[in-house]
Amino acid sequence: LAKTTQPISMDSYEGQEVNITCSHNNIATNDYITWYQQFPSQGPRFIIQGYKTKVTNEVASLFIPADRKSSTLSLPRVSLSDTAVYYCLVGDIVDTNAGKSTFGDGTTLTVKP
Amino acid sequence: EAGVTQFPSHSVIEKGQTVTLRCDPISGHDNLYWYRRVMGKEIKFLLHFVKESKQDESGMPNNRFLAERTGGTYSTLKVQPAELEDSGVYFCASSQDFREFPGMGQFFGPGTRLTVL
Repeated sequence: LAKTTQPISMDSYEGQEVNITCSHNNIATNDYITWYQQFPSQGPRFIIQGYKTKVTNEVASLFIPADRKSSTLSLPRVSLSDTAVYYCLVGDIVDTNAGKSTFGDGTTLTVKP
Repeated sequence: EAGVTQFPSHSVIEKGQTVTLRCDPISGHDNLYWYRRVMGKEIKFLLHFVKESKQDESGMPNNRFLAERTGGTYSTLKVQPAELEDSGVYFCASSQDFREFPGMGQFFGPGTRLTVL
């Protein structure tokens, strides 16, 4: 399973766009990139999943360059309630959906007023 | 629609005792997963059910852990006998078949915090 590297922490202010980058140099051809969000005392919450280029949903965008060795989760106009830990997971679609992808340490995002 | 629920939310037991954790997945989700996070470590996969069958239990740490999913509905995870290193947060998650519903990820419960003294 591909290892991922994310910043340990990030700070932002309300209303700003936040971009969290994840490095996955050893990503395999069949691997997908999945992001989860976790609040204290809660389980992780699925945000977005992608394979290449750009994926957008109602809460975030995921940018994946052509070489797929990194990916960027973009959160538009964050609010205080977006303060959480964000995890980048990389694994093939079977392993990812079978729960086999590694969560890692995640990025702790702190949004300030 | 109700989310994934777990019971109890907290459990404090003594070393050597038995504890059973319960997970109720989202109705209609055939896939059910157990994870745990021990203190200071990352969230780790334990096992995966598809309906009542164990699809993958490669993450189960040892034979003190037993997971069941009777009738393909709720699941239980029993630890017997519990050891100090079993302390942590146990998460359950469920999902639909990703082939039919791609890009939906897993839905996690709030977790059960287990403390073994």
